[in-house]
Amino acid sequence: DARVTQTPRHKVTEMGQEVTMRCQPILGHNTVFWYRQTMMQGLELLAYFRNRAPLDDSGMPKDRFSAEMPDATLATLKIQPSEPRDSAVYFCASGLVLGSGTYNEQFFGPGTRLTVL
Amino acid sequence: GNSVTQMEGPVTLSEEAFLTINCTYTATGYPSLFWYVQYPGEGLQLLLKATKADDKGSNKGFEATYRKETTSFHLEKGSVQVSDSAVYFCALRMDTGRRALTFGSGTRLQVQP
Repeated sequence: DARVTQTPRHKVTEMGQEVTMRCQPILGHNTVFWYRQTMMQGLELLAYFRNRAPLDDSGMPKDRFSAEMPDATLATLKIQPSEPRDSAVYFCASGLVLGSGTYNEQFFGPGTRLTVL
Repeated sequence: GNSVTQMEGPVTLSEEAFLTINCTYTATGYPSLFWYVQYPGEGLQLLLKATKADDKGSNKGFEATYRKETTSFHLEKGSVQVSDSAVYFCALRMDTGRRALTFGSGTRLQVQP
């Protein structure tokens, strides 16, 4: 049963600390998305990768957030330094875009619940 | 820009009641439309989708019809169960350019026995 996995599931840290969240997309998928969910803003797109290249990170605060895909099986989202306003649930999703442009659904991971004190 | 508007929740129903959750959208062009469901402590799961006008998506007794003339994609179910209690998100996706989902704010459904 293929699924997106995320680690850690929960993270509590103090303001100023570095936080790294990891995502393993479904094998064979070539697109990865990072979303953030908060009560105030709902679900927001942070970054979008296709074939490991970042295509859109306009939703991400550039001064403290960074997203990478070191290889096809791992996507990372890093916050340095973290702030209390970063407290949220961070979701990773993966999907497949075919050469014809056909695109299937996005499959979501269970999320990382981040609390910054 | 693109946006999705959902009815405010929570929606509280008794088991076997009829459910409607309203969703309207604004988009330049013709998006694909989706309903996702989020159970407590879990990620989002695709519930149903429709990719063009007049398409009806259906799954697990839920249905939604893509109405271009009213830019709507309302979610319905004839008889809800306690296990349907969750948060429901309406979303759109443009099929060119950025393929990220634009979500509504979510509607919490509570079904009482």
